[in-house]
Amino acid sequence: SQQGEEDPQALSIQEGENATMNCSYKTSINNLQWYRQNSGRGLVHLILIRSNEREKHSGRLRVTLDTSKKSSSLLITASRAADTASYFCATVLTGGGNKLTFGTGTQLKVEL
Amino acid sequence: NAGVTQTPKFQVLKTGQSMTLQCAQDMNHEYMSWYRQDPGMGLRLIHYSVGAGITDQGEVPNGYNVSRSTTEDFPLRLLSAAPSQTSVYFCASGRVASTDTQYFGPGTRLTVL
Repeated sequence: SQQGEEDPQALSIQEGENATMNCSYKTSINNLQWYRQNSGRGLVHLILIRSNEREKHSGRLRVTLDTSKKSSSLLITASRAADTASYFCATVLTGGGNKLTFGTGTQLKVEL
Repeated sequence: NAGVTQTPKFQVLKTGQSMTLQCAQDMNHEYMSWYRQDPGMGLRLIHYSVGAGITDQGEVPNGYNVSRSTTEDFPLRLLSAAPSQTSVYFCASGRVASTDTQYFGPGTRLTVL
């Protein structure tokens, strides 16, 4: 069964706007990761946040984690057409070794 | 480094045929895994390995076999293909430390008729 649910399923914005996508999960985690998938391609790791962290930044990406609500959000600032892709959250469960459990993804479209 | 490579990129099988999806990595990663991606389902873990000679089942292992004879290679075998195995298959690798990034191959798109 899916560990994570992502919201929204699809998001369409204009270039230059910010995009926010959310991920909720069900059980205790070691860390949460965000991946990007361009159409027809493999997944690319974007950012990892550990369970004892609340916020991380990487370039135009900002990730937050609220373990009390079992949720995370990914913010992409000043979006570009090249950001058009599907975004997935994936969790490493406490005691789960390296296994990633993926959410269902958010399809982001950035229009010119 | 080539990273994670997968062959073939596309494959069409008839029901009942068998085949092997190849995965190789040149990063000396101990951990390797196979996922399938179906529309609206995200990625689901099929099998994984934490080192040569060690494999274990993931969420959806039925109909698939794996082996890990070397650190570099982790082939996925479909024993008797079924239409329900039509999917995109991704291989990934990473270091055993659980906080590390995993690296994904480009995928194999499999259609079973």
